[in-house]
Amino acid sequence: NAGVMQNPRHLVRRRGQEARLRCSPMKGHSHVYWYRQLPEEGLKFMVYLQKENIIDESGMPKERFSAEFPKEGPSILRIQQVVRGDSAAYFCASSFVGEETQYFGPGTRLLVL
Amino acid sequence: DQQVKQNSPSLSVQEGRISILNCDYTNSMFDYFLWYKKYPAEGPTFLISISSIKDKNEDGRFTVFLNKSAKHLSLHIVPSQPGDSAVYFCAATGGSQGNLIFGKGTKLSVKP
Repeated sequence: NAGVMQNPRHLVRRRGQEARLRCSPMKGHSHVYWYRQLPEEGLKFMVYLQKENIIDESGMPKERFSAEFPKEGPSILRIQQVVRGDSAAYFCASSFVGEETQYFGPGTRLLVL
Repeated sequence: DQQVKQNSPSLSVQEGRISILNCDYTNSMFDYFLWYKKYPAEGPTFLISISSIKDKNEDGRFTVFLNKSAKHLSLHIVPSQPGDSAVYFCAATGGSQGNLIFGKGTKLSVKP
């Protein structure tokens, strides 16, 4: 029973490049959430998706950030024209329909040089 | 404006004793609360949860208590073990939200 999978685990980008983070939810889970953790902080919600549908993106920065969860394949969090302030750990979580408990992946640590 | 607060950044406990981690919240719409444990360089691991219709939930060495009138919950670990050393996050959800609101975490150190 595979858990939530995220790749890459570590990603290094130079300022201005694009970062793509991928997340495969647990088997049977149809809800995906993305969170960001800055150093010494808790996790902050970014976006909540179901297949082919963004349910809540109230935590997403208005520019440069986008997310999708296509009918086939993993969920993708995309950051265009990265800046140093985007350096953080990005966690994906998934849940069953109607369940509040979310299960997290190992995270992607993004470092922007 | 922090809706979920963990006021103790760290806690040190002797092996075999009880660890008590505290969490306060401000939003009365929250109706489900969770505790996660996190090791460095790993994702949060779900530990235990409680619905607002209950005041206690127990799972092995872990017990969560909820005091709705005080908007306070606590996680008790007994007996504490060195492997419990990690950062513990309190999270809450409810109302129209699907997302979790996290506290900043408490770093627990259990000394042998």
